[in-house]
Amino acid sequence: DQQVKQNSPSLSVQEGRISILNCDYTNSMFDYFLWYKKYPAEGPTFLISISSIKDKNEDGRFTVFLNKSAKHLSLHIVPSQPGDSAVYFCAASGGYGGATNKLIFGTGTLLAVQP
Amino acid sequence: DTEVTQTPKHLVMGMTNKKSLKCEQHMGHRAMYWYKQKAKKPPELMFVYSYEKLSINESVPSRFSPECPNSSLLNLHLHALQPEDSALYLCASSYGLGTGELFFGEGSRLTVL
Repeated sequence: DQQVKQNSPSLSVQEGRISILNCDYTNSMFDYFLWYKKYPAEGPTFLISISSIKDKNEDGRFTVFLNKSAKHLSLHIVPSQPGDSAVYFCAASGGYGGATNKLIFGTGTLLAVQP
Repeated sequence: DTEVTQTPKHLVMGMTNKKSLKCEQHMGHRAMYWYKQKAKKPPELMFVYSYEKLSINESVPSRFSPECPNSSLLNLHLHALQPEDSALYLCASSYGLGTGELFFGEGSRLTVL
């Protein structure tokens, strides 16, 4: 049972345009969400996070939006750059009865930014 | 120093071998993790250590044996593995449990023959 889903395995965007990566989750107990970026042959790198008490968090070119009622979050990258080309993982945690950091990852979306 | 260092980067072993994967961080983090990632799949949690004590074991087979000798080091001892255990093993750390952001190493690519 995949609790965190990224339904688009890949996305191609022109340089300078907006990239929108989507993520859906099923567990209403999740209260913290993160986006990680992964280049080939490297470990995932933290990008941005959002707590369930917020609906938006922004960091430079990256903005994460959370819609709790729809159990949906999205990552917006504006403007997209060729160096943003990587696999993006959505992850969620929470609801495990106490302080824990059990992250559940989505299946990832491969973003390709074309020059 | 914001790095999590994993060794070796690549490991090939037979099903009767005993080997270990090592992970080190010097960020003062008190929680450390092992994740397993198969090709085209998301990372899956295996173990969590908090203050050098095993906090979570995700029903991992006993042929994988974690060890946390001190707050900076995390080992994963491997014995009698199966070919289906071939995967990328990722180590991560965080300031503590429940702090959200995990810092990942580059991973150890394991091949079991």
